[in-house]
Formats: sequence, structure tokens, C-alpha cells
Amino acid sequence: EDKVVQSPLSLVVHEGDTVTLNCSYEVTNFRSLLWYKQEKKAPTFLFMLTSSGIEKKSGRLSSILDKKELSSILNITATQTGDSAIYLCAVINIDLQGAQKLVFGQGTRLTINP
Amino acid sequence: DGGITQSPKYLFRKEGQNVTLSCEQNLNHDAMYWYRQDPGQGLRLIYYSQIVNDFQKGDIAEGYSVSREKKESFPLTVTSAQKNPTAFYLCASTIRGPTSAASSYNEQFFGPGTRLTVL
Repeated sequence: EDKVVQSPLSLVVHEGDTVTLNCSYEVTNFRSLLWYKQEKKAPTFLFMLTSSGIEKKSGRLSSILDKKELSSILNITATQTGDSAIYLCAVINIDLQGAQKLVFGQGTRLTINP
Repeated sequence: DGGITQSPKYLFRKEGQNVTLSCEQNLNHDAMYWYRQDPGQGLRLIYYSQIVNDFQKGDIAEGYSVSREKKESFPLTVTSAQKNPTAFYLCASTIRGPTSAASSYNEQFFGPGTRLTVL
């Protein structure tokens, strides 16, 4: 059974700090890993990472996948209160009919205090 | 405006009742998904559908049922057989395209969610 584990489950820091969120996975047929940010309702897509190991960046957020360690990290530098959210990691699974499914981790609840 | 809508936003159910959650999209997406989210947990897949009149069970389908009579609509019924239905339910959709390449990903777009509470 495919499994995605995130750590820590909860993190509280002060504005301006740098944080690193972790995601590890065990999947039978790895394709890609995704990061989402969920504030109050629907998750919003942040990054897609593949086994190429290429780092993805968007402003203060960056992410990379370690193929050997079967893990990924999401870094946020100079955190702001608006970064407070649940960060979800997911891996793509393709079923026998070629349908795309996502397997999610538990999420990391990040709280940024002013 | 293109997007995914879910209704109602909040739903209260008495024990033993069936309730139906609505999900509609006007993005012309072929594939639709239902997820359940509990506090401290990520999203778990309930059912998904790649085309009209066809759907597959996800990881936690017991106690739920779906239909896909129209491309735009994928309603989820939470039956009385679902013993612990209180949760946040999210619907998503995506285009159905080639997924053979490792770098290929058809982004899933999520609706705003329905919060179901059993009284």
C-alpha cells in the first residue's frame, strides 16, 4: 500500500524564521510528488517534483526531492503570518486503467506568530 | 467564471439519515474526485470518475455512493452505513490526458468543500 508521511505534524515559529517541512514516501510506482498549501478550504497547488532532482522555487518557497532517500523537503524563508496554513504532500499513483490518483500525507500545520 | 462549486457549505445530519453532497464543475474536465479530510489528517480518496457513467472506489469507499450521469456533476451520498461521517469533504476535477510520462501531471482543481456534522 502506498504511504506518505509528513513531519512535523505541527510547527509554530516566529515571523522571519526559516522552516523546513519534510515528506517521505513509499510507493510502488513513483511518478511525481506534489506540495499543496491549504488555508481554510481548498488546497492550492505549489510544486510538482520528479526524480530529476531539480529544485523548484517560487519566491520564498523552495522544494526538492531526494530520490535516494525517498523524501522531499519544502523550505520557507523569511516566514510571514500569511504563510500560516496546512501544507500537504501527495504522490501521484496511476491505476490499472491509467487514471491519476493522489495519495496524501497527514499534512503539517504551520503557524507563524507575529 | 470557470470553477468547481460544492453545496452546501455546511451540512448537519441526524444519525441514520442519508445525505447527498453536490459537486459541479464548468471546466469541461473529464475526471472528478471526492476526498474526505479529518482533523490532523490529509485527504483520503473516497471515489473517482474518469468518464460519464463510470466510477471507481477509492481507499475509503465503504458507506458512500456516487453517480456520474453528467460530465459536470459528481454527487456524493453519505449513507447511514458510514459510521463516522463527520468530516470535511472536498471535490476535485482534472482533465483526462496522457499520464504515461513521469513528468506528466494533470493538476487537480479543488472545490471549496462541505463540512458535514452528524448530530
